[in-house]
Amino acid sequence: DVKVTQSSRYLVKRTGEKVFLECVQDMDHENMFWYRQDPGLGLRLIYFSYDVKMKEKGDIPEGYSVSREKKERFSLILESASTNQTSMYLCASSPGTLHIQYFGAGTRLSVL
Amino acid sequence: EDQVTQSPEALRLQEGESSSLNCSYTVSGLRGLFWYRQDPGKGPEFLFTLYSAGEEKEKERLKATLTKKESFLHITAPKPEDSATYLCAANSGGYQKVTFGTGTKLQVIP
Repeated sequence: DVKVTQSSRYLVKRTGEKVFLECVQDMDHENMFWYRQDPGLGLRLIYFSYDVKMKEKGDIPEGYSVSREKKERFSLILESASTNQTSMYLCASSPGTLHIQYFGAGTRLSVL
Repeated sequence: EDQVTQSPEALRLQEGESSSLNCSYTVSGLRGLFWYRQDPGKGPEFLFTLYSAGEEKEKERLKATLTKKESFLHITAPKPEDSATYLCAANSGGYQKVTFGTGTKLQVIP
């Protein structure tokens, strides 16, 4: 079975903190994605990666960075968390050409 | 700019009452249209991919269809366990660019 694991289900952080969200997939997929999901706005792509050490900006990359040092792991970094980054964060992976995305359970981040 | 619009935002059905969810898309060069199911507190789960107008796919009580401008997710004789948010997404243009709609929240009442 396909598995995408996000390290935390819930996180509470303070404004200005550096936040790391971790995602691991066990399917040897080339592509990995970070989305945020907000009511009324749907899923919005923050960053994606199509190979180790490769990354592309999505629709809303401001305030975020990513790291992919190993094929199975994709990290989302909030350099200085702000209250408007309170959201549900979803990680996904997909094989090279099929475009079907497999999602993790999500991390609900609250920035106070 | 690619756009995916889903309607209705919410739908309440009696068990056994069939209905359809709509997904309208405006994308440059559709490569694939996806349907996902999302349960509360969970990530989306893949249901179907449709690639060309006229294509249909079925899974249990669900059937997805595709035209050049929209896709429908038909739900036949739904059960309470079909309650979830259904998301539509379109892949176009760039290699991994996928645009999601905001979803239809379906509630099936026993």
